[in-house]
Amino acid sequence: AQTVTQSQPEMSVQEAETVTLSCTYDTSESDYYLFWYKQPPSRQMILVIRQEAYKQQNATENRFSVNFQKAAKSFSLKISDSQLGDAAMYFCAYRNNNAGNMLTFGGGTRLMVKP
Amino acid sequence: GAGVSQSPSNKVTEKGKDVELRCDPISGHTALYWYRQSLGQGLEFLIYFQGNSAPDKSGLPSDRFSAERTGGSVSTLTIQRTQQEDSAVYLCASSFRGPYEQYFGPGTRLTVT
Repeated sequence: AQTVTQSQPEMSVQEAETVTLSCTYDTSESDYYLFWYKQPPSRQMILVIRQEAYKQQNATENRFSVNFQKAAKSFSLKISDSQLGDAAMYFCAYRNNNAGNMLTFGGGTRLMVKP
Repeated sequence: GAGVSQSPSNKVTEKGKDVELRCDPISGHTALYWYRQSLGQGLEFLIYFQGNSAPDKSGLPSDRFSAERTGGSVSTLTIQRTQQEDSAVYLCASSFRGPYEQYFGPGTRLTVT
């Protein structure tokens, strides 16, 4: 079975600074996607960024980028120029493309942004 | 267009009662997923629909939980004889068939007293 681990229950960052959230996963599959989701207090899960396992290039979306280390099964999220609106729970998620496409989530990291 | 909607937003029920949670997916999305988010168990997969059929029910925690989907659209998650450990946020997501992005609804917060 696949597992996703986020070892940082809470992180804090100063506004305008950079923060990195960690995620490791375990799988024997080769065809999968990895995701970072943001969940603000409204509960709505919002996709931040995704990475296809077959792609070597790290995904980037504006201020958000990932460091995907496939051999190490590591998938960290870097948030640059942090903003107050970035404060939320962040979940790392794994999806096996050959088994129904359901998501397996990590335990989450609560990010606080200090003004 | 409209996103995934869920109703009710919040539900308080007494232990032993049955509850129904509803999910309206994005129009045209053939895949629908239910997840549960609780303090003790984190975010866990419950059940997956492709059209009206559920090829994967592996995440349903007990036989008190059931779900159906009609017309390839609306889905209902039913919990019978609710227990306090059923208290959680129930999230629904939908997507096109295949490895496409899942769009989440705002969830239903269920509290069993």
